[in-house]
Amino acid sequence: KQEVTQIPAALSVPEGENLVLNCSFTDSAIYNLQWFRQDPGKGLTSLLLIQSSQREQTSGRLNASLDKSSGRSTLYIAASQPGDSATYLCAVSGNFNKFYFGSGTKLNVKP
Amino acid sequence: EPEVTQTPSHQVTQMGQEVILRCVPISNHLYFYWYRQILGQKVEFLVSFYNNEISEKSEIFDDQFSVERPDGSNFTLKIRSTKLEDSAMYFCASSDSGGGSNEQFFGPGTRLTVL
Repeated sequence: KQEVTQIPAALSVPEGENLVLNCSFTDSAIYNLQWFRQDPGKGLTSLLLIQSSQREQTSGRLNASLDKSSGRSTLYIAASQPGDSATYLCAVSGNFNKFYFGSGTKLNVKP
Repeated sequence: EPEVTQTPSHQVTQMGQEVILRCVPISNHLYFYWYRQILGQKVEFLVSFYNNEISEKSEIFDDQFSVERPDGSNFTLKIRSTKLEDSAMYFCASSDSGGGSNEQFFGPGTRLTVL
């Protein structure tokens, strides 16, 4: 069964720092990997989707990379802002689009 | 921008009662999903649905659960006889194609509280 792990579980940084969130998965036979943002008590906002044939995707200050063979992905956030404070979830999909989620990294960006 | 919507946002029910959670997926999407997140735990897959059939379901999705697309816009999750451990946030999601290569869009969730 696919297991997704995210490190660190929590991260607190001052505003303006660049940071990296890590995601690892046990089964490299994935179709895609998706990064989400979740605000407290809210739904999941899709940030970036990386298909299995791709190595990275960029959107604004966010860059996500995928190394299927090693079972790893990173989410890089440039010039962090207090509004980036949220929990970031990594999810990988296999057959029938079934997603396996990590536990998330709770990010706090201090003004 | 198109979005997935869910109603109600919060449902409180007594143990043993039936509940129906409703979702309106993005209009041109063909694949629909339910996930749940128990407080403090990971988001877990429940079921995927395509062409009026269940594509896959998890071990959580037992006989107490059912899904339906009663018309061209709604997608529902029914829990026949709720248990305390069904208390969770339930998320609906949709995607425009299958094969695992397409982005899933999630709704805001329904918080189910079973007393």
